[in-house]
Amino acid sequence: DADVTQTPRNRITKTGKRIMLECSQTKGHDRMYWYRQDPGLGLRLIYYSFDVKDINKGEISDGYSVSRQAQAKFSLSLESAIPNQTALYFCATSDPTGNYGYTFGSGTRLTVV
Amino acid sequence: RKEVEQDPGPFNVPEGATVAFNCTYSNSASQSFFWYRQDCRKEPKLLMSVYSSGNEDGRFTAQLNRASQYISLLIRDSKLSDSATYLCVVNLGPGAGSYQLTFGKGTKLSVIP
Repeated sequence: DADVTQTPRNRITKTGKRIMLECSQTKGHDRMYWYRQDPGLGLRLIYYSFDVKDINKGEISDGYSVSRQAQAKFSLSLESAIPNQTALYFCATSDPTGNYGYTFGSGTRLTVV
Repeated sequence: RKEVEQDPGPFNVPEGATVAFNCTYSNSASQSFFWYRQDCRKEPKLLMSVYSSGNEDGRFTAQLNRASQYISLLIRDSKLSDSATYLCVVNLGPGAGSYQLTFGKGTKLSVIP
């Protein structure tokens, strides 16, 4: 099993719909992150969580919300999807120091039509 | 100045060539450094950490110059399978961002037969 699992892998949704992307990890880490990636823009941080009770906005949190249901689970929601949220979304986890890098999930390719 | 800057490329090199990528970072307090590899539409994967003394892993050599605040990655004897985007990644340390990683936008490498 993968260390970080994201579901779904691919999703097409309509403008205005609510959608949830799920992430679970088996690394036992407290820290989890959500990124989106767009061509030419690199990885951009949406939200991050340092533990179950600690959630923080990243650089592009508008239009998104998150829930940290447990140490191992961190979900990302688009309350009302819009076409410019079409992107590749990655969940990641790390130890508290970051000195071992991040482990990423395989990504969710989201298309909003 | 951006926190982590890379030449976006693309670098198009023939098989067997040696290619080098550079990356600069702005925060002198940064404390750990990495190179990640990302294949098209896949998640970033840790290629290697970068140590102050420099380190080598097979055909790959990473170097760190703290005084000039840059990191390099050298790939010798390029293979077709090396074609990917290479991300420079910096751990900001305990000050700004509490040990979060900052990602460069990546340098695209294409190895040509």
